[in-house]
Amino acid sequence: EAGVTQFPSHSVIEKGQTVTLRCDPISGHDNLYWYRRVMGKEIKFLLHFVKESKQDESGMPNNRFLAERTGGTYSTLKVQPAELEDSGVYFCASSQGTGVEQYFGPGTRLTVT
Amino acid sequence: KNEVEQSPQNLTAQEGEFITINCSYSVGISALHWLQQHPGGGIVSLFMLSSGKKKHGRLIATINIQEKHSSLHITASHPRDSAVYICAVLKGFRRYNNNDMRFGAGTRLTVKP
Repeated sequence: EAGVTQFPSHSVIEKGQTVTLRCDPISGHDNLYWYRRVMGKEIKFLLHFVKESKQDESGMPNNRFLAERTGGTYSTLKVQPAELEDSGVYFCASSQGTGVEQYFGPGTRLTVT
Repeated sequence: KNEVEQSPQNLTAQEGEFITINCSYSVGISALHWLQQHPGGGIVSLFMLSSGKKKHGRLIATINIQEKHSSLHITASHPRDSAVYICAVLKGFRRYNNNDMRFGAGTRLTVKP
């Protein structure tokens, strides 16, 4: 069974540009989570989808970040326009239900210059 | 102050040594994860526990709910155990809603041959 996959693995963009990160959860997992780790800090929650609906987006830092999960399968996280402080590693995780183990993807390392 | 504190921040050990990584948290939780992140790699869930002790190979995780403390032990450590180990808790007492996850800053373990 394939695990959680993320694309790209690494993205380098200039300040002001747009970047879209993609996450493909494990097949059949309704719950999808986005997390972020910025340099020197702990991983922080961004948002949680249940199927195509946003269950909780309280961790989204500002309106430059837009997450979608059309059709309840893969999800995208768009940053527009990117700022220097957006640099970090963006992780996606999925789970079959809530209150159960989450499976993490390999992460996307975003560097904004 | 982070709701999840790990110690030590960095740990260097000789191959074969017994290793302990500690995690203390200050909030009510429904479960606790121990995660492993290899350099340049994604995150792997090692354990999810809400009470007692779990063992998987050379890894042992314990949790004391009353003391709000968990430990991850590695017996007969090996250089391939070198990684960042992260403690994460699912906040709240109701298991239906596990999006509220809090992470420790991680412990960087280096095992020398």
